[in-house]
Amino acid sequence: DIQMTQSPSSLSASVGDRVTITCQASQDISNYLNWYQQKPGKAPKLLIYDASNLETGVPSRFSGSGSGTDFTFTISSLQPEDIATYYCQQYDNLPPTFGQGTKLEIK
Amino acid sequence: EVQLVESGGGLVQPGRSLRLSCAASGFTFDDYAMHWVRQAPGKGLEWVSGISWNSGSIGYADSVKGRFTISRDNAKNSLYLQMNSLRAEDTALYYCAKASKDQAVAGSDYWGQGTLVTVSS
Repeated sequence: DIQMTQSPSSLSASVGDRVTITCQASQDISNYLNWYQQKPGKAPKLLIYDASNLETGVPSRFSGSGSGTDFTFTISSLQPEDIATYYCQQYDNLPPTFGQGTKLEIK
Repeated sequence: EVQLVESGGGLVQPGRSLRLSCAASGFTFDDYAMHWVRQAPGKGLEWVSGISWNSGSIGYADSVKGRFTISRDNAKNSLYLQMNSLRAEDTALYYCAKASKDQAVAGSDYWGQGTLVTVSS
């Protein structure tokens, strides 16, 4: 199975800050990576697909980059409604494994 | 609007069985693969199983292989998960998720709200 190592596991930042989360795959997954947002008590929501494509309707402050084994998810200017846990997921091979998640809090 | 509505969860004793269902609407069901993903209380997301559009390709997590069976009925726009020999560690919120393409090796672009399975004596 492909292992996805996501960091940090938690992050505290101020409104307006630039926030970056990284995800590293245990092998080359090309650009087969999604980023999801999960707010407390809610289902995950797809934000970024194919590593860098913004899902329709998602604010442009969210972005993704990377290919191969190293990926980055960025919020350019943190908003209060961005408080959530963020997950990466690879879908190059079965099983489509998730990262451990990054819990984002407002400082 | 894509809608995925799970049902069938509940409290079940270890060793017993449970069948989850997912009713899909708002998209052409038989154009897409489907997944089950679970989340244990306070934990992260774990992919459980996936099935291609025509049931020709199916995959399972090692943790459920041999105990769980995924299936779909394209005529009924429905996805199922038969869970046998349940264990305490299967306790989780089970999400039905639409894949972004017709094969099981895909991410998920829409998720249901989940159905809770609790395995306890």
